Amino acid sequence: QVQLQESGPGLVKPSETLSLTCTVSGYSFNSGYYWGWIRQPPGKGLEWIGSIYESGSTYYNPSLQSRVTIFLDTSKKQISLKLSSVTAADTGLYFCARVVADSWSGYPKYSDYCGQGTLITVSS
Amino acid sequence: EVVLTQSPATLSVSPGERATLSCGASQSVSTNLAWYQQKPGQAPRLLIYGAYTRATGIPARFSGSGSGTEFTLTISSLQSEDFAVYYCQQYNNWLWTFGQGTKVEIK
Repeated sequence: QVQLQESGPGLVKPSETLSLTCTVSGYSFNSGYYWGWIRQPPGKGLEWIGSIYESGSTYYNPSLQSRVTIFLDTSKKQISLKLSSVTAADTGLYFCARVVADSWSGYPKYSDYCGQGTLITVSS
Repeated sequence: EVVLTQSPATLSVSPGERATLSCGASQSVSTNLAWYQQKPGQAPRLLIYGAYTRATGIPARFSGSGSGTEFTLTISSLQSEDFAVYYCQQYNNWLWTFGQGTKVEIK
């Protein structure tokens, strides 16, 4: 059973860089999946942040692309997210996800497993 | 960017009744659409992918239909555990977008 567990600082000051880690268990990497991050502001809907393939190629939401980087460390079974210059608008629940890849286009398709999420508050 | 519009925003249904949720896309996404269920404080759970294929372990009372720009999620007979928020998500290209969600509440 694939399990994902996010971890993070909980509270981040405005203008600083948010760093999150997702640890994966129950899965052997290099089987052709993407890994991604999704976030949810309090009381609002879901927003895709970005996805990284097991080869390292990435796709990012254009609205966040200038501030976001996603890393994959298969030896540690971890996916990391860095979001720079955070503001109050970045407050929310951050989920990591395993993402099925399209066998024809190679694009990320949908998430079949999600972690329970980690709450991030941006405040001074 | 493909904009997904879900309707209604809130659906009030009695247990045992049928619920029909809609998702409209601003341009064709073929059948590259998924549906998720989210309960308060929980992660989104995949219900449907490819517009109509149920994910592993999803009960048969959940069904998806549609293609192009109009999609529907139907819950044939609502159970107590089905009251939640439902999101559609398109993956016609690498740029994912989600609908704003439909809340299914007890009538």
